[in-house]
Amino acid sequence: GENVEQHPSTLSVQEGDSAVIKCTYSDSASNYFPWYKQELGKGPQLIIDIRSNVGEKKDQRIAVTLNKTAKHFSLHITETQPEDSAVYFCAARYSGGGADGLTFGKGTHLIIQP
Amino acid sequence: NAGVTQTPKFRILKIGQSMTLQCTQDMNHNYMYWYRQDPGMGLKLIYYSVGAGITDKGEVPNGYNVSRSTTEDFPLRLELAAPSQTSVYFCASFRDGGSNEQFFGPGTRLTVL
Repeated sequence: GENVEQHPSTLSVQEGDSAVIKCTYSDSASNYFPWYKQELGKGPQLIIDIRSNVGEKKDQRIAVTLNKTAKHFSLHITETQPEDSAVYFCAARYSGGGADGLTFGKGTHLIIQP
Repeated sequence: NAGVTQTPKFRILKIGQSMTLQCTQDMNHNYMYWYRQDPGMGLKLIYYSVGAGITDKGEVPNGYNVSRSTTEDFPLRLELAAPSQTSVYFCASFRDGGSNEQFFGPGTRLTVL
């Protein structure tokens, strides 16, 4: 089955700086890669996603890049703000017909220092 | 739309007790999922359903059962609770052919003592 590795487990950045979180996946058949933000005591919430036919996607301060050859994808947050502090999860899924859910990384605790 | 709702929010069980975690979605999504999240870990898939009357095992199904009698509801049953089932449980749903986004509920925090 799919295996997703996520690094780092904790990331502390100064407010206004950029943050980068990296993930690798093992199954070349995976074709959908979402990023979720989880705040304390809440369920994960999708912040951005990318499909395997796209190399990069951007939404305001958030961007995701995908390298299919190397099987890795990254989340980039620019101009970080205090409200960006949360746990971020990457995930992978094959969406070609099966329904076996998302495989998640272990999460990155992002801390924005004022 | 309320989205995905879960009850209860918290529960403490004794070893060997049973309980049902409730999950309901009002978005007419055909796919529903149950995940568990252990401290410092990502979510792991327990069971999923592609529609009413159809369920299948995920990565960690042992000790759990599910049913899907309606599109809206997807309850998760623990028959003989064990300390290893102490976790936070999340239900999620999405509509096949849509955006691929899975919508998550707020979670149920379960402790087995």
